[in-house]
Amino acid sequence: ETGVTQTPRHLVMGMTNKKSLKCEQHLGHNAMYWYKQSAKKPLELMFVYNFKEQTENNSVPSRFSPECPNSSHLFLHLHTLQPEDSALYLCASSQALAGSTFTDTQYFGPGTRLTVL
Amino acid sequence: AQKVTQAQTEISVVEKEDVTLDCVYETRDTTYYLFWYKQPPSGELVFLIRRNSFDEQNEISGRYSWNFQKSTSSFNFTITASQVVDSAVYFCALSEAGGGADGLTFGKGTHLIIQP
Repeated sequence: ETGVTQTPRHLVMGMTNKKSLKCEQHLGHNAMYWYKQSAKKPLELMFVYNFKEQTENNSVPSRFSPECPNSSHLFLHLHTLQPEDSALYLCASSQALAGSTFTDTQYFGPGTRLTVL
Repeated sequence: AQKVTQAQTEISVVEKEDVTLDCVYETRDTTYYLFWYKQPPSGELVFLIRRNSFDEQNEISGRYSWNFQKSTSSFNFTITASQVVDSAVYFCALSEAGGGADGLTFGKGTHLIIQP
């Protein structure tokens, strides 16, 4: 595998289900991101992990729960979602410099198309 | 607050025509980065270019060229001799903290349709 991979590519779930989205980067990066892309809004940043520490949470509802067990893997745990959460969820990674807010270009995965019934 | 505006929602041209995608940005920082990404129907965002705020040189890469003008806060993207494979949604993005410690702020995207 190369680049940034995401699984599953498509997911349909009911509002009471619990599911997880997985992201893996094979680029040796140390910062990872979750973005949401819905039809009605531009790409929105959800979470940022820099050196495995969550540094950003853009007022995301608690029904979305991120997890970053190591610098290569990022999860987004989903529970009791709403139909308006249906969207394309994109993962990205970049190289962050220690002790700095600077990070290099973000590279994106193919996304998970989520449909909430 | 930072903001990126892509006023062109959709552009349709015939193959081999040149096309320019507009991007206007707002930021209070003197140090920032601008990006263009391409999103084909498959969904993946493909990185095209990154420019920092101190480098106003125009860049050319094959049929692609970018015009960065700080005076007008614009970072426009031109495709010369367009091809059907160029059909995609193109996003302009801005970061005020290097490449993205705070994430990227995206424009709404321009859907480019190249007709054969």
